[in-house]
Amino acid sequence: GIQVEQSPPDLILQEGANSTLRCNFSDSVNNLQWFHQNPWGQLINLFYIPSGTKQNGRLSATTVATERYSLLYISSSQTTDSGVYFCAAPVYNTDKLIFGTGTRLQVFP
Amino acid sequence: DTGVSQNPRHKITKRGQNVTFRCDPISEHNRLYWYRQTLGQGPEFLTYFQNEAQLEKSRLLSDRFSAERPKGSFSTLEIQRTEQGDSAMYLCASSFDRGSGGYTFGSGTRLTVV
Repeated sequence: GIQVEQSPPDLILQEGANSTLRCNFSDSVNNLQWFHQNPWGQLINLFYIPSGTKQNGRLSATTVATERYSLLYISSSQTTDSGVYFCAAPVYNTDKLIFGTGTRLQVFP
Repeated sequence: DTGVSQNPRHKITKRGQNVTFRCDPISEHNRLYWYRQTLGQGPEFLTYFQNEAQLEKSRLLSDRFSAERPKGSFSTLEIQRTEQGDSAMYLCASSFDRGSGGYTFGSGTRLTVV
């Protein structure tokens, strides 16, 4: 089945810094989702991005489906950005998402 | 709409007892999913429904686990004869049809089996 890998596993930033998180997937996908899990465990959908680039405030994401990767950009990071970021891709022709192991982000003031 | 609602938020049970969790999806969503997450890992797929039909079950869902979605609305996940290895966060999500957008997750039910 599809494999989803994320890097880096951990990231420590000072408030105001920018960062790029990467997600590689082993098979062709027709959608890819990015989630933020806050320190209380809530998973928030950030982007549904099968291909191309989307932006939402300080966050943006780019998926290059032909090269099987996606990037999440966080600009001017804030302490509230702390948590774990997951990308997830579906098993072919299903809605079953396979999650990566996540990138744990800590932003300090 | 208040999003995806899960109850209870926390459950502590003794080994061998049965537990049941409930998920109320976003009303317009016809797909409902259950995932399990253990500490330090990403969520793992358990099962999903399209309306009231259960379309797929993971091998993780042993015969002690059963899920239902009567009338295509709320869903319940029951675990019989709980084991310590069942301790985890159980997450519910809902979505529109495939290709129509992403998942919305609930806050989860944290199960601790003692």
